[in-house]
Amino acid sequence: TQLLEQSPQFLSIQEGENLTVYCNSSSVFSSLQWYRQEPGEGPVLLVTVVTGGEVKKLKRLTFQFGDARKDSSLHITAAQTGDTGLYLCAGARGTASKLTFGTGTRLQVTL
Amino acid sequence: DADVTQTPRNRITKTGKRIMLECSQTKGHDRMYWYRQDPGLGLRLIYYSFDVKDINKGEISDGYSVSRQAQAKFSLSLESAIPNQTALYFCATSDLSAGGSYNEQFFGPGTRLTVL
Repeated sequence: TQLLEQSPQFLSIQEGENLTVYCNSSSVFSSLQWYRQEPGEGPVLLVTVVTGGEVKKLKRLTFQFGDARKDSSLHITAAQTGDTGLYLCAGARGTASKLTFGTGTRLQVTL
Repeated sequence: DADVTQTPRNRITKTGKRIMLECSQTKGHDRMYWYRQDPGLGLRLIYYSFDVKDINKGEISDGYSVSRQAQAKFSLSLESAIPNQTALYFCATSDLSAGGSYNEQFFGPGTRLTVL
């Protein structure tokens, strides 16, 4: 059973466009992370959100944790070709040190 | 130098062979994990270890075994490889954050395994 569903699965846009990626679950998470993975490499942590309703900004990337801590979104403003990659959300429950990863969103940004 | 290293980076083997994938880390973290990645399925946890004497099964441990030789080393074995174990395998490490309320993981570069 996949507990974290991401949408869309694939996204191809042109440089300068805005986009939003969603991460949804029926379960409550104590924290949620977003990772980006480039070809031939492992995922790299972008951000961790821990409070319901929390919004964090990382340059052109805005992350939000849902009020009920069941969902999250990643918004990219004015996408650049360097944003191309696989975006993964991952949730943790309680003080557990295991993460449940989402299905992933593959983003392609072209000129 | 990379904090989390994996060897080999690529491996092609035949059905029935025993394979070992190795992971080393210099981050000083106690917690280590093995995942496999398949297209459209994200990352799935195979095994994890919270310290040298602690080994736990993840969601897809069948057909795999692990050994935690030291704090810095965690190896994954496929006792008798089969074609549906063809995948990308990642090792990761973590340490408790302040207050222990969440868990940030740091990944190695991955091993691409093909079982023919």
